[in-house]
Order: sequence, then C-alpha cells, then structure tokens
Amino acid sequence: DTGVSQDPRHKITKRGQNVTFRCDPISEHNRLYWYRQTLGQGPEFLTYFQNEAQLEKSRLLSNRFSAERPKGSFSTLEIQRTEQGDSAMYLCASSGQFSTDTQYFGPGTRLTVL
Amino acid sequence: AQKITQTQPGMFVQEKEAVTLDCTYDTSDPSYGLFWYKQPSSGEMIFLIYQGSYDQQNATEGRYSLNFQKARKSANLVISASQLGDSAMYFCAMREGGAGGYQKVTFGTGTKLQVIP
Repeated sequence: DTGVSQDPRHKITKRGQNVTFRCDPISEHNRLYWYRQTLGQGPEFLTYFQNEAQLEKSRLLSNRFSAERPKGSFSTLEIQRTEQGDSAMYLCASSGQFSTDTQYFGPGTRLTVL
Repeated sequence: AQKITQTQPGMFVQEKEAVTLDCTYDTSDPSYGLFWYKQPSSGEMIFLIYQGSYDQQNATEGRYSLNFQKARKSANLVISASQLGDSAMYFCAMREGGAGGYQKVTFGTGTKLQVIP
C-alpha cells in the first residue's frame, strides 16, 4: 500500500503565474485535506473534501485559491496570480471514513514565488 | 488563546537517553483527540501517536509514549532511548469534535529536537 503522494515536490514560479498541485490520497481514504505550512510554523488548514464534496474552507483560502476532487480520488489545488506571500509548503493529508481517523500526510509541495 | 502550545522551540538530548516534549491544549469540547507528528528535514509529516480524550490509558507506540494529563490539559510526548534519526521537528496537534462531520485539526508551532551522539 502506498501512502499519500504529491506532485510536484518543488515548484518555483514567478509572481503572477498560476500553479497547480496534485495530491493522491491513500486509496481507501475518502477524506482529503490541504494544509499550508510556512517556515517556523505548524501546518494550517486550508480545505477539506469528503469524497468529491468540498465541505470546509478556511478563511486563509482566498479567492485566488481553488481546490477540486472531481472523482473523489485525487485532488488538485490551484493558485492563480501567485504572490510572494504564497511561498510555503503545501501539504495534503487523507483519512478514513470516520471523523476520528488519523490523518496521514504526503511529502508536500514546496512553492517558491520569485 | 492558542489551541495548542508547545513552549520548547528547541531541545537537545543525548543519544540513548529519554526526552519529553511538552504540549498543552485548550478546548471546551468534551470529545477530542491529540496527535504527535514528526517532520524530518525532508518535510513529510509522519504520524507517531494518538490519544483520545476518553481513553483511560496513556497511548504507547514502540519508543513513543504520550503522557496524557487531562485535568492539566497536557499531552507530552516521551521518546525513550533516543536515536540519531529522531532529530526532527515534532508537532503536537488536536482534533476537536466527535464522530461525524469535519474533524478540525490544529497544530502547535513545533519543537526542534536534536539528538547528540
């Protein structure tokens, strides 16, 4: 069984460009989460999917951010018109059908906006 | 108020010794869960141990144990027989809310542990 995977692992982009990240959860997990982690901080929640439905979004998720999980399997996180403040590690996690299940994280995508 | 407080930004421990990483939490929800994750320099968050608010006994997983003191709202991680590979950031996290719905997880700011040979 493979864990959560994320692609790409690193992304360098220029300010104003759009970027898209992909997350593949553990296959039997129906819940998927996106977090953002800046230097010296713990991960901060961005958004949550149960199957294909996006059920929760943080106020941190500005209108430049959009996430999808079209078939309830992999998910994408897109950032439009990137800003230098978007530079961070973007982490994806997945968990099983019960809300008390542990979240397992992927390796993250490190975004650098120049 | 901070939901999760980790007061030790950095810790040193001698190899083969035990170390305790502190975590206090704040919630009014009677049903919650406490987690510890390890984050090596590679960036991946590795799940270590979980304690539910209704669990009667402290959780243990190999060399990791969680010292859960509910009345004091503390959930310290104890690592026994430290190894060089234990050098990493350690995050305490809390899930609030019971079964059903979204499980909001809040993380602390982490403790950087360095194991000295």
